[in-house]
Amino acid sequence: DIQMTQSPSSLPASLGDRVTITCRASQDIGNYLRWFQQKPGKSPRLMIYGATNLAAGVPSRFSGSRSGSDYSLTISSLESEDMADYYCLQSKESPLTFGGGTKLELK
Amino acid sequence: EVQLQESGPGLVKPSQSLSLTCSVTGYSITSNYWGWIRKFPGNKMEWMGYISYSGSTSYNPSLKSRISITRDTSKNQFFLQLNSVTTEDTATYYCARTMHFDYWGQGVMVTVSS
Repeated sequence: DIQMTQSPSSLPASLGDRVTITCRASQDIGNYLRWFQQKPGKSPRLMIYGATNLAAGVPSRFSGSRSGSDYSLTISSLESEDMADYYCLQSKESPLTFGGGTKLELK
Repeated sequence: EVQLQESGPGLVKPSQSLSLTCSVTGYSITSNYWGWIRKFPGNKMEWMGYISYSGSTSYNPSLKSRISITRDTSKNQFFLQLNSVTTEDTATYYCARTMHFDYWGQGVMVTVSS
């Protein structure tokens, strides 16, 4: 199975901060990488697909990038509504696998 | 608008079968891919499998022969059956449109306990 190593697991940050979450893939996944946001009691929301493409309705302060086997989700200026858990998902190969998650919280 | 809604028992006894239904509105399940994902206490997420527009299925090998995903196209529903459950199957179960993962149900919490 492809392992997705996500870091950090917890990220304290302040409003207005630029924050970055990273997933490292254990094998080549090309750009078959999605990012999700999940708030308590809610279902996951697709934020980024194809590693770099913004999903419909997602604010432009969110962006995705790739450097080799490292995939990053960046929020350029943190807003209060961004406090949530974030997960990456690879869909290059079955079984699809998620990263371990990052809890983004106010410092 | 595409909407998905999970339903099923919130409590299942060990060794029994877990059965969930996902009802889809606003889109036909004879198009696209439809799957199940679960989130364990402690927040690990696991892709369980999908059923395609044609009825073909793909499952996570970690679930071995315990899982079955079926559908009823006349009702625009698809189903999850997980056999021989243990306490380790306690999780929140989500159905989703899994070609794009763009539409999800609200999730149903299932506890396995005697």
